Amino acid sequence: DIVMTQAPLSVSVTPGESASISCRSSKSLLHSNGITYVYWYLQKPGKSPQLLIYRMSNLASGVPDRFSGSGSETDFTLKISRVEAEDVGIYYCGQLLENPYTFGAGTKLELK
Amino acid sequence: QVQLKESGPGLMQPSETLSLTCTVSGFSLTSNGVGWVRQPLGKGLVWMGTIWAGGSTNYNSAVQSRLSISRDTSKSQVFLKMNSLQPEDTGTYYCARHAREGFAYWGQGTLVTVSS
Repeated sequence: DIVMTQAPLSVSVTPGESASISCRSSKSLLHSNGITYVYWYLQKPGKSPQLLIYRMSNLASGVPDRFSGSGSETDFTLKISRVEAEDVGIYYCGQLLENPYTFGAGTKLELK
Repeated sequence: QVQLKESGPGLMQPSETLSLTCTVSGFSLTSNGVGWVRQPLGKGLVWMGTIWAGGSTNYNSAVQSRLSISRDTSKSQVFLKMNSLQPEDTGTYYCARHAREGFAYWGQGTLVTVSS
């Protein structure tokens, strides 16, 4: 199975500042078609997960452009610019390259 | 708009068979896959399986021997059946549309507790 390792486990951010969350996969997520199958989700307290970024760097519909995704074949970063109160929750990276599709353990974002 | 909603019993006993229904609207099951994702209490996300637009299925090997996913396209419903339940199967079960953009739409989730 592909293991997704996130860091840090938690991050505390002052509103208005930026935050970065890292995710590393145990295997390259770059397919021969040129697409990197890494995704980012946010689970707000008491809510279902919501998609933020798909295929490493594509912003999902309705997601503010304060969110951005980047990376290589195995190392990925979610950046949140100008963190707002509504960004609080647990962020998960996930891979859809191969079965079983797996997620990272999550990174909890809190406000200072 | 796209919506998914899970339904099923909240409390199950060990060794019983769980049956959950995901009712979708706003999209066709013959054009999109639907996956099931479990979240143990206070823990992370675990993909369980997906039924694809063509009707084929893929399962996580961790539960494959106990899991079955099917659908009724005329009713826009996807079904999850998992037998031999154990307390560690306790958690929130989500269905989500599984497409090229990933799991872009999720249901509200349904909590299943396995306890004697």
